[in-house]
Amino acid sequence: LAKTTQPISMDSYEGQEVNITCSHNNIATNDYITWYQQFPSQGPRFIIQGYKTKVTNEVASLFIPADRKSSTLSLPRVSLSDTAVYYCLVGDMGDSSASKIIFGSGTRLSIRP
Amino acid sequence: DAGVIQSPRHEVTEMGQEVTLRCKPISGHNSLFWYRQTMMRGLELLIYFNNNVPIDDSGMPEDRFSAKMPNASFSTLKIQPSEPRDSAVYFCASSSPTSRETQYFGPGTRLLVL
Repeated sequence: LAKTTQPISMDSYEGQEVNITCSHNNIATNDYITWYQQFPSQGPRFIIQGYKTKVTNEVASLFIPADRKSSTLSLPRVSLSDTAVYYCLVGDMGDSSASKIIFGSGTRLSIRP
Repeated sequence: DAGVIQSPRHEVTEMGQEVTLRCKPISGHNSLFWYRQTMMRGLELLIYFNNNVPIDDSGMPEDRFSAKMPNASFSTLKIQPSEPRDSAVYFCASSSPTSRETQYFGPGTRLLVL
């Protein structure tokens, strides 16, 4: 069971790049790393997922070092609307009996003008 | 695509009453999850279904909670009898066979037990 550790909160300003790092020292070989975003009064929303190296989509980039014991979510040029809680998850749903999904406390990101 | 649909969106009830929350997953998705979110405990996975079969219900807090998935397009989470400490936002999520780690969440049901 891979536990994740993230900073409780982060602050930044509009237009800046924000990097949120998640530690997952006990990640298993088959585990994927998934990040979700949650706005107040809404359910979490999938942002990005990766297994190793770098993944990029229209919203964010995900950097995963070779040892996979951590990952960094990178949000380029943030805006006020990026203010939300960001969760890092590690797990493998391919083996349905082995992995339990734990969202953890997440990182509360606040963007200022 | 309509996304995951949950009903009701809000529920206020009195202690001891039965509460039933409903969820319609995204068409074609074969995994369904029920979560509970509170300020104190964060987002907790209650139960996970795969192909309508409960796979992991270790997160269900006690016997007052039960969940069913009679078919691929419908699931219920029932609390009987309800207690004030059950007050929370309950989310349903679903995922596809090709990417079970990518979950799509519904808007949630905000439950208040008085």
